[in-house]
Amino acid sequence: TQLLEQSPQFLSIQEGENLTVYCNSSSVFSSLQWYRQEPGEGPVLLVTVVTGGEVKKLKRLTFQFGDARKDSSLHITAAQPGDTGLYLCGKGQAGTALIFGKGTTLSVSS
Amino acid sequence: SAVISQKPSRDICQRGTSLTIQCQVDSQVTMMFWYRQQPGQSLTLIATANQGSEATYESGFVIDKFPISRPNLTFSTLTVSNMSPEDSSIYLCSARQGASYEQYFGPGTRLTVT
Repeated sequence: TQLLEQSPQFLSIQEGENLTVYCNSSSVFSSLQWYRQEPGEGPVLLVTVVTGGEVKKLKRLTFQFGDARKDSSLHITAAQPGDTGLYLCGKGQAGTALIFGKGTTLSVSS
Repeated sequence: SAVISQKPSRDICQRGTSLTIQCQVDSQVTMMFWYRQQPGQSLTLIATANQGSEATYESGFVIDKFPISRPNLTFSTLTVSNMSPEDSSIYLCSARQGASYEQYFGPGTRLTVT
């Protein structure tokens, strides 16, 4: 059962463009984490959101948690080749492991 | 945060053999997990490694195939037993501290079975 729907699955853009990745579920999240993973490495935690409506910024990355805590988005402004990677959203409940969406493979070309 | 290391980083193994992957965390953690990942794809949870008791396995994964140990709060092992080419994958160790929601990952072990 796919508990998290992540879209788009693949994204190929030019340097300087903006993009948004979405993460949705039919059930409420206690928390949601966004990760970026580069080839040959483990996922690196970008942000954790726990409060409905919460917005967090990390340089050119903006993370939003939906008011109902069933969806989240990651927006990247002026993408750079260094943003290339696999972006994963993970759904967390207290005392259990994160369950992940299918991921978004982002390629930014110069 | 927690820093996690894994050994080996990669291995090529023959069909029918077993490989044990080690995971070391630089601090005591409440929970440790093992995931599997096909290159470029998402993570699938194999099991939760419980300190002092048997691991809790997800549907589709069994102890005879993936025995797990967790002797203390900083270390765990995952064994991939009687390997077949279908076991070729990246195996990732993960950990969480206390009541935090945040999970941290090791660099992964890339396994190829021939």
